[in-house]
Amino acid sequence: GAVVSQHPSWVICKSGTSVKIECRSLDFQATTMFWYRQFPKQSLMLMATSNEGSKATYEQGVEKDKFLINHASLTLSTLTVTSAHPEDSSFYICSAREGGKNTIYFGEGSWLTVV
Amino acid sequence: KNQVEQSPQSLIILEGKNCTLQCNYTVSPFSNLRWYKQDTGRGPVSLTIMTFSENTKSNGRYTATLDADTKQSSLHITASQLSDSASYICVVSAAMRFGAGTRLTVKP
Repeated sequence: GAVVSQHPSWVICKSGTSVKIECRSLDFQATTMFWYRQFPKQSLMLMATSNEGSKATYEQGVEKDKFLINHASLTLSTLTVTSAHPEDSSFYICSAREGGKNTIYFGEGSWLTVV
Repeated sequence: KNQVEQSPQSLIILEGKNCTLQCNYTVSPFSNLRWYKQDTGRGPVSLTIMTFSENTKSNGRYTATLDADTKQSSLHITASQLSDSASYICVVSAAMRFGAGTRLTVKP
């Protein structure tokens, strides 16, 4: 089946630094990718939707200058958390949809801890 | 108010028993409804996806139903196993509106 890979699986960074999370579709072309954040014991919250070659569409309340999303190719999207703070510590998940198809596949998630 | 409401919030059942999880939505327009299983600390895994015209869809021991008129869906799990312990999430439409999930615990 289709596979979406996220890297890194977990990362610890210092407050004030930036960290990049990659999301790759391994065996299909993902025309649309989604980024989510999930705090412990809470539901996934959609942060933004990105279409390949276009600027991401951010959900209300999500700072686009803080969470930079790039979807430069059909197999790769990146989320960069800039000037990270401890409150940004969370589980970040991406998902990808193949063009013209309904099924959406999720990555395994990336744990971010800001110290 | 969330556009996708799931109930119950949590559920504990004994291994081998059946259970039904509910999802009510107000999302419009509607295109499809998906059920996902999410193990703690892992990404969600798709169980079923239903479009407007589908009333029921099965995937092994999982059976999802959809009533587009009343905007309700259910996920029925038959003969539960310990490995079914997870959060079950209802997601509506291309807008990817998530329910808060139902946390299922299956005990031996």
